[in-house]
Amino acid sequence: DTAVSQTPKYLVTQMGNDKSIKCEQNLGHDTMYWYKQDSKKFLKIMFSYNNKELIINETVPNRFSPKSPDKAHLNLHINSLELGDSAVYFCASSPQADTQYFGPGTRLTVL
Amino acid sequence: GENVEQHPSTLSVQEGDSAVIKCTYSDSASNYFPWYKQELGKRPQLIIDIRSNVGEKKDQRIAVTLNKTAKHFSLHITETQPEDSAVYFCAAPTGSARQLTFGSGTQLTVLP
Repeated sequence: DTAVSQTPKYLVTQMGNDKSIKCEQNLGHDTMYWYKQDSKKFLKIMFSYNNKELIINETVPNRFSPKSPDKAHLNLHINSLELGDSAVYFCASSPQADTQYFGPGTRLTVL
Repeated sequence: GENVEQHPSTLSVQEGDSAVIKCTYSDSASNYFPWYKQELGKRPQLIIDIRSNVGEKKDQRIAVTLNKTAKHFSLHITETQPEDSAVYFCAAPTGSARQLTFGSGTQLTVLP
């Protein structure tokens, strides 16, 4: 009965590849998010998605694209991976624009 | 842009002592202030939150205080235990989309 789940947990890939991370929530929340946590532990929001409205953090490169097939899923596609993309990516969901519940994270390593 | 500042970045205390972490925010419209705990290799988890209509909230050994006039809020942990060791994040909603902006985190170490 996992609330927010992500796959894969670990992702190791070569520079230049394209990869996807999947997120699912079974909490019935309306809003989902993607965060990037770098090696210094900073948590930076990348996207939020609410009722088909996508809010983008303007500092996120357009190589990153979220895709939401339905309210319970928000996937993250990354094209042309770079070394600096290495980080832990967290999906989260919330019933309103406050309390957020995080997924277990995906550790991405770009070689 | 709107930001949330958190201090200190690291904090070491002896087991049984108290720990206090402080955050300031700049968006005067912020009205919700959560605190998250992230253990090593785990996800951030909500431990306590406070809304702007109250000044203090307690849950066993943890408490949060809010000063809206000064735009700061603090996390207080009493009788610390080794399992309290983790990174703690404060957050506040900012911007027109009211998305949570997180502080930079505090690494708390409780020494046995």
